Amino acid sequence: GQQLNQSPQSMFIQEGEDVSMNCTSSSIFNTWLWYKQDPGEGPVLLIALYKAGELTSNGRLTAQFGITRKDSFLNISASIPSDVGIYFCAGPDYGGSQGNLIFGKGTKLSVKP
Amino acid sequence: DAGITQSPRYKITETGRQVTLMCHQTWSHSYMFWYRQDLGHGLRLIYYSAAADITDKGEVPDGYVVSRSKTENFPLTLESATRSQTSVYFCASTKTGGASGELFFGEGSRLTVL
Repeated sequence: GQQLNQSPQSMFIQEGEDVSMNCTSSSIFNTWLWYKQDPGEGPVLLIALYKAGELTSNGRLTAQFGITRKDSFLNISASIPSDVGIYFCAGPDYGGSQGNLIFGKGTKLSVKP
Repeated sequence: DAGITQSPRYKITETGRQVTLMCHQTWSHSYMFWYRQDLGHGLRLIYYSAAADITDKGEVPDGYVVSRSKTENFPLTLESATRSQTSVYFCASTKTGGASGELFFGEGSRLTVL
């Protein structure tokens, strides 16, 4: 079945540093999504990508839809303490439940002030 | 307030007891989902519903029951709780199925089964 592999699993960085994380799949996705989960909360959508090669920004966040449609990248520039949380990539569950998303296992980000 | 709300936020129960987690959304979204989140596994789909009175199993449905008599409510019942069901449960909804992408999540219900 479809699987999304996220890396790294966790990151410990200093405030002000840039962050990069990625998500790969063995199958093609036509949509890539990036969610953030703050501690004790539910995930919230950060960026949605709908076209191969697309580069989309949301403030200090930039995400790219890989040209092969099998990967996506999320970059955070000049990290701040409130960037702490778990970042999930996600894509549509083509082989299963309609409307459902397949999620990666997440990248846990810790930011040291 | 509009949105998606879950209750209770925290629950401790004992093995063998029945537990129901409630989910309510005010957007009239057609699709609703229940996920569980466990360390090392990410978010896994338990059950989903495409509309009132239409439900279907997800990846990990065993030990759970759902119903959807009204569009806005989607309760999840653990008929006889087990320790392996200790987890954080998230309800989510979306307006349409397919690849539009955005799921709206509740704040989660943290369940501990002793």
